[in-house]
Amino acid sequence: AQSVTQLDSHVSVSEGTPVLLRCNYSSSYSPSLFWYVQHPNKGLQLLLKYTSAATLVKGINGFEAEFKKSETSFHLTKPSAHMSDAAEYFCVTNFGNEKLTFGTGTRLTIIP
Amino acid sequence: DTGVSQDPRHKITKRGQNVTFRCDPISEHNRLYWYRQTLGQGPEFLTYFQNEAQLEKSRLLSDRFSAERPKGSFSTLEIQRTEQGDSAMYLCASSFKGPQGYEQYFGPGTRLTVT
Repeated sequence: AQSVTQLDSHVSVSEGTPVLLRCNYSSSYSPSLFWYVQHPNKGLQLLLKYTSAATLVKGINGFEAEFKKSETSFHLTKPSAHMSDAAEYFCVTNFGNEKLTFGTGTRLTIIP
Repeated sequence: DTGVSQDPRHKITKRGQNVTFRCDPISEHNRLYWYRQTLGQGPEFLTYFQNEAQLEKSRLLSDRFSAERPKGSFSTLEIQRTEQGDSAMYLCASSFKGPQGYEQYFGPGTRLTVT
């Protein structure tokens, strides 16, 4: 069955340093993968999505993710963290249908 | 604001009461979804509509839950005889078919607390 596993429940980085949020997927075929961000009291926002067109996907706010089939990973990165990046991040997949399946989330804290 | 809206944003109710939530999707979106998010977890799919037709329901949607989208625009989610385990954030999303398939846009959610 398809699923995603977020390897860290909480990540803390200093402002201006790189961000790495890790996600592994389990799928019998090439999946669609997404990263969503959830700020407190705001709706989930799509950061980026992978749909097999390109392995390196660029998203909003300077985030990007690389699909690595050999490692079954789709890690989210950003070169330099900003205070406004503090939020909950979800790695998400679907089964080629309408249902989004979310990981358990990674809470990103930015240290001033 | 032309995003997905949900009403109310917060609801506190006593166990055994019925509650109803409303979702207004982005106007040109023909698909509408409901998810539930409990504390410390990612959202879980409940059900979705294409126009007024309810196309899929999760096993999570017990008989006490019912969702409607009568005119293919707004949707309601009703929970009858609420239980403490129903306490969660209820999220609505809508989508339309773009060049790369359907992309779901989420509302801010309705937080339900059952006491």
